[in-house]
Amino acid sequence: NAGVMQNPRHLVRRRGQEARLRCSPMKGHSHVYWYRQLPEEGLKFMVYLQKENIIDESGMPKERFSAEFPKEGPSILRIQQVVRGDSAAYFCASSHEYQETQYFGPGTRLLVL
Amino acid sequence: AQTVTQSQPEMSVQEAETVTLSCTYDTSESDYYLFWYKQPPSRQMILVIRQEAYKQQNATENRFSVNFQKAAKSFSLKISDSQLGDAAMYFCASNTASNTGKLIFGQGTTLQVKP
Repeated sequence: NAGVMQNPRHLVRRRGQEARLRCSPMKGHSHVYWYRQLPEEGLKFMVYLQKENIIDESGMPKERFSAEFPKEGPSILRIQQVVRGDSAAYFCASSHEYQETQYFGPGTRLLVL
Repeated sequence: AQTVTQSQPEMSVQEAETVTLSCTYDTSESDYYLFWYKQPPSRQMILVIRQEAYKQQNATENRFSVNFQKAAKSFSLKISDSQLGDAAMYFCASNTASNTGKLIFGQGTTLQVKP
């Protein structure tokens, strides 16, 4: 049973470009969470999605950030017009039910030049 | 609001010895879960142990065990027979039924294991 997959593992973007981060949950998991980890800090919740629905986006910045989890395919975290402050590790986690254990992917390290 | 606090930024332990990492939390909920995650230098987040708040028995996983003090809202992690591979950042986290299940993390504790 494959774990949570994230790609790319590393992403370099110049200021103003778009970043697309992908997450495939574990088989059988329909709940996806995105977290951001700034350097030397803990993880901060961004958004919680189920198939075709955003359940909780209370941690998402109001502008430039969006997320989706379509019926088919991976969940996507999209950052438009990236700025240097977006440089961080972005982790995706999935669970079978909403309050069950979340299993994390390896993360995507985004570097904005 | 739900909060998780780890007051030890760094800890060190001699190989084969025992170390305890502290965590306190605050929630008004009665139904919640507590977790310890390990983040080694690879930065992968690895689940170490999980505790359901309604269970009085402390969770254990091989060399890892917790001391769950519900009234004090304390959730410490004990690592026995420490190994070099235990060196990592350790995060305490919690989630609640009414909070959509999102995890609230502490600031983390860096554990150094000395040979």
